[in-house]
Amino acid sequence: EAQVTQNPRYLITVTGKKLTVTCSQNMNHEYMSWYRQDPGLGLRQIYYSMNVEVTDKGDVPEGYKVSRKEKRNFPLILESPSPNQTSLYFCASSFGVSSPLHFGNGTRLTVT
Amino acid sequence: KNEVEQSPQNLTAQEGEFITINCSYSVGISALHWLQQHPGGGIVSLFMLSSGKKKHGRLIATINIQEKHSSLHITASHPRDSAVYICAVVVDKLIFGTGTRLQVFP
Repeated sequence: EAQVTQNPRYLITVTGKKLTVTCSQNMNHEYMSWYRQDPGLGLRQIYYSMNVEVTDKGDVPEGYKVSRKEKRNFPLILESPSPNQTSLYFCASSFGVSSPLHFGNGTRLTVT
Repeated sequence: KNEVEQSPQNLTAQEGEFITINCSYSVGISALHWLQQHPGGGIVSLFMLSSGKKKHGRLIATINIQEKHSSLHITASHPRDSAVYICAVVVDKLIFGTGTRLQVFP
């Protein structure tokens, strides 16, 4: 089944403890991206990748890192999480930014 | 001012009604996405369009590039259409509207 798999679904952590949210797709998509969704602000793009070893900042990249070592995986890394990074996170993939998007199920992160 | 504006923000309807959700944008775009997010959070892509009109079942999406405007129509609305509908425009990246919350009552 074609899908984007995000893990974990829920994560509660403390300020400063490094964490990684994984994202994997099995559709051979070139384009992958990360978003955060906050009440009243909607979805905002954190980082995106057009292909392996190519990543670019979105609108809100501060405090996040990504890597794209393989086509299928695009992990989101929070080196030193802070409470303002408490949010709902989505990964998405597609053949290109102008192609239909496939979203993961989301990761609800709480940083205390 | 947001680059992508959706209206209305909230919409309630009776089952069977015709629904229109609007998306206006202020930047030059190459394409526009319509997304659906159900309670519980999952996001599904409904349409991606760069010109004209697309139809899928009871859903119709139109775009007017010159007027920088797109609409999503739902014919014969049903309670299962209750969701948040989000438009996103494609520049070199995606810029999202804040969504329209639709509730359809039986």
